[in-house]
Amino acid sequence: SQTIHQWPATLVQPVGSPLSLECTVEGTSNPNLYWYRQAAGRGLQLLFYSIGIDQISSEVPQNLSASRPQDRQFILSSKKLLLSDSGFYLCAWNQGPLVNYGYTFGSGTRLTVV
Amino acid sequence: RKEVEQDPGPFNVPEGATVAFNCTYSNSASQSFFWYRQDCRKEPKLLMSVYSSGNEDGRFTAQLNRASQYISLLIRDSKLSDSATYLCAVNPYGNNRLAFGKGNQVVVIP
Repeated sequence: SQTIHQWPATLVQPVGSPLSLECTVEGTSNPNLYWYRQAAGRGLQLLFYSIGIDQISSEVPQNLSASRPQDRQFILSSKKLLLSDSGFYLCAWNQGPLVNYGYTFGSGTRLTVV
Repeated sequence: RKEVEQDPGPFNVPEGATVAFNCTYSNSASQSFFWYRQDCRKEPKLLMSVYSSGNEDGRFTAQLNRASQYISLLIRDSKLSDSATYLCAVNPYGNNRLAFGKGNQVVVIP
């Protein structure tokens, strides 16, 4: 069966520090991968999505970047965090017709920038 | 206009009662509709897909109204364990990208 892993679960980082969040999917190949952010009191905001290695689309211009160095690995990074980067970061994947399967989310990383 | 809109609530529901809420979407060409359940400080989990003909899963019924551009979720015989935020998700452009509403918060009261 397919599983998605995200880490770390919780992170407290000072303003201006770098960030690296990792997401991996097991049990499948060539998944579509997504990074979402859920800020306090706000909905899920799509940040990046990827349909293959090194194929990444950015939805919102900001100080975050994403990379997909391997088929089942998706990394979210920042060189310098801002206070506004605080939030709940969720990785998701899907494969096959979206209409049937939707997305499956990882357990998320709760980031607090201080 | 936002792609997907939901009334955040909260919807306070007596145990055993029925609660229903809607989610509106702006793009009439939207495809693929879903309801997700999100517990406090947890990831969203797929509750059910929403098909054109409507669909039911136990106490949960989802419907799609394309003419008025909304989907609905009805929960019958509410249980305390139904307390959660229910997010609707819509695929506005047919490109595997889902847009989410802010969610309807349901609180089932004993």
